Amino acid sequence: SQQGEEDPQALSIQEGENATMNCSYKTSINNLQWYRQNSGRGLVHLILIRSNEREKHSGRLRVTLDTSKKSSSLLITASRAADTASYFCATDPNTGNQFYFGTGTSLTVIP
Amino acid sequence: DSGVTQTPKHLITATGQRVTLRCSPRSGDLSVYWYQQSLDQGLQFLIQYYNGEERAKGNILERFSAQQFPDLHSELNLSSLELGDSALYFCASSPHGGGGYGYTFGSGTRLTVV
Repeated sequence: SQQGEEDPQALSIQEGENATMNCSYKTSINNLQWYRQNSGRGLVHLILIRSNEREKHSGRLRVTLDTSKKSSSLLITASRAADTASYFCATDPNTGNQFYFGTGTSLTVIP
Repeated sequence: DSGVTQTPKHLITATGQRVTLRCSPRSGDLSVYWYQQSLDQGLQFLIQYYNGEERAKGNILERFSAQQFPDLHSELNLSSLELGDSALYFCASSPHGGGGYGYTFGSGTRLTVV
């Protein structure tokens, strides 16, 4: 499968704590993206990291990429109840910008 | 509002029927992608169009077809529907057909086949 796999499948934390989600993939990639999906809604693009980048930040989000291990992590710092959602990583093994999505991590932030 | 418009939001139809889902990409985006999201299969890439031409095919069934029109809107046609086709169908758009651009997703069409 070209899809990535997120770990853990589900994560429950208290508001204010940090949340870390991991993504592993199987083939070499050009780019990796992270998306958020609130229940039954469309996906929202969070961050894109290119294969020649190792770390990227956006607000409370920090993404790392280790191409030698074929893995990425998404860190959400100082979590809020509004961060409750499913988070997906997506990889593009080809050059045509077709992204393949993982199975997602369901994050619950308890107020 | 993401800028990607999908209609209808909900669709209930019977097995064996045919439906058409419509997507208008974000203004200026040339590439349209269709995805199917179901509980057991996750998000599956179906097909990509770029500026009116088919660019890539994923796990799209032969009963499904799509096209992108000159005004860049796209339609996904699902025929001979089966119960297992019940899912959320998302359209996404990006500025170009390659180069690593993030997608803008629509809010989806929830298809229920009864």
